[in-house]
Amino acid sequence: EVQLVESGGGLVKPGGSLRLSCAASGFTFSSYSMNWVRQAPGKGLEWVSSISSSSSYIYYADSVKGRFTISRDNAKNSLYLQMNSLRAEDTAVYYCARDLGGSYLPWGQGTLVTVSS
Amino acid sequence: QSALTQPASVSGSPGQSITISCTGTSSDVGGYNYVSWYQQHPGKAPKLMIYDVSNRPSGVSNRFSGSKSGNTASLTISGLQAEDEADYYCSSYTSSSSYVFGTGTKVTVL
Repeated sequence: EVQLVESGGGLVKPGGSLRLSCAASGFTFSSYSMNWVRQAPGKGLEWVSSISSSSSYIYYADSVKGRFTISRDNAKNSLYLQMNSLRAEDTAVYYCARDLGGSYLPWGQGTLVTVSS
Repeated sequence: QSALTQPASVSGSPGQSITISCTGTSSDVGGYNYVSWYQQHPGKAPKLMIYDVSNRPSGVSNRFSGSKSGNTASLTISGLQAEDEADYYCSSYTSSSSYVFGTGTKVTVL
């Protein structure tokens, strides 16, 4: 079964840092681009970042550029999101998702990040 | 990158058909056939319903169909059922090598 499991969410103060992880199983992780997508409470979906299969191509939404860093470890079948200089508006459920080339399947269950003092 | 525009809500009776629109620009929806649609029930992760404008993943009911004309994509749900009540989001690849989601549509089954 193709599965993605996020971890690392929690409560952090404004200006703080957090590292999210996404463990993949059931498919050849090293063959797929991966993405992070977030959803603020009661709001819509927002694409955050994507990384190609070999990490050669990395893209970020303007809202997180310069603060977030996406990375992956194909040997560990894992995707990461390092989040620095966190703001209240970064509060959201963060999902990792496998990229099928223009669409996402599957999605993880999400991990909640709360930025508050 | 501005969010794609969707109606906030659409409703229909069981058995009816409804259509959700998703309007973007020539830099996203109009420029690529990488439009996808996601269904999200409360508290759950989104589920892919349509990819590449009009293709259904394995396991998705054929009551769901997608299309595109110019800068506007559409999702049609035919034979509306109670379990179709959910939020729906469109998404498109963009000329910036990024992705953009729609504003979301709440579907209510009357």
